[in-house]
Amino acid sequence: GNSVTQMEGPVTLSEEAFLTINCTYTATGYPSLFWYVQYPGEGLQLLLKATKADDKGSNKGFEATYRKETTSFHLEKGSVQVSDSAVYFCALNRNYGGSQGNLIFGKGTKLSVKP
Amino acid sequence: DSGVTQTPKHLITATGQRVTLRCSPRSGDLSVYWYQQSLDQGLQFLIQYYNGEERAKGNILERFSAQQFPDLHSELNLSSLELGDSALYFCASSAGQGLDSPLHFGNGTRLTVT
Repeated sequence: GNSVTQMEGPVTLSEEAFLTINCTYTATGYPSLFWYVQYPGEGLQLLLKATKADDKGSNKGFEATYRKETTSFHLEKGSVQVSDSAVYFCALNRNYGGSQGNLIFGKGTKLSVKP
Repeated sequence: DSGVTQTPKHLITATGQRVTLRCSPRSGDLSVYWYQQSLDQGLQFLIQYYNGEERAKGNILERFSAQQFPDLHSELNLSSLELGDSALYFCASSAGQGLDSPLHFGNGTRLTVT
């Protein structure tokens, strides 16, 4: 079946460090891939997405490339800030019927950035 | 602020009881989704409604039911509650159903079953 595996946290970095959060997936067909972010006490927010192989999603300095050959969608940011501290979720949706709602999420990776 | 409102924020109840969680979607959004977030299962999709009709079903237990009303707000009903139902329940909304309609999540209702 469809599943998402992301690296377990917590991840603790110093401000301006380079961030990578690994995400791999298993899916039939051609899924769309997403990264969502959850700040403390809030709901999830869409950070970026990619809908086909080799697409690069980017937003707020974060980026991720849809790699079909390695079934991966790793999240990267060149220089993290304290305000990036949050839980990051990788997710997929099969392109079946187009509904984005039936998202399959990874377990989440908590990122803490120290000044 | 996502524009999605969930009430109540916290709910504490006993096993065997029934509760109703309420969600008001963003103005103009026709789709409403319910998700359950627990420590052991992570985030799981429960059910989706679009303009009052059920459109997709995920891992929703038979003890749980939902509906979307004509004014587009939605309610999730949880009955015969068990300790394992303790979780954070999120509602999300989107304008349409396609991939170009991002989901906007509320801040969740934390349910504690004692």
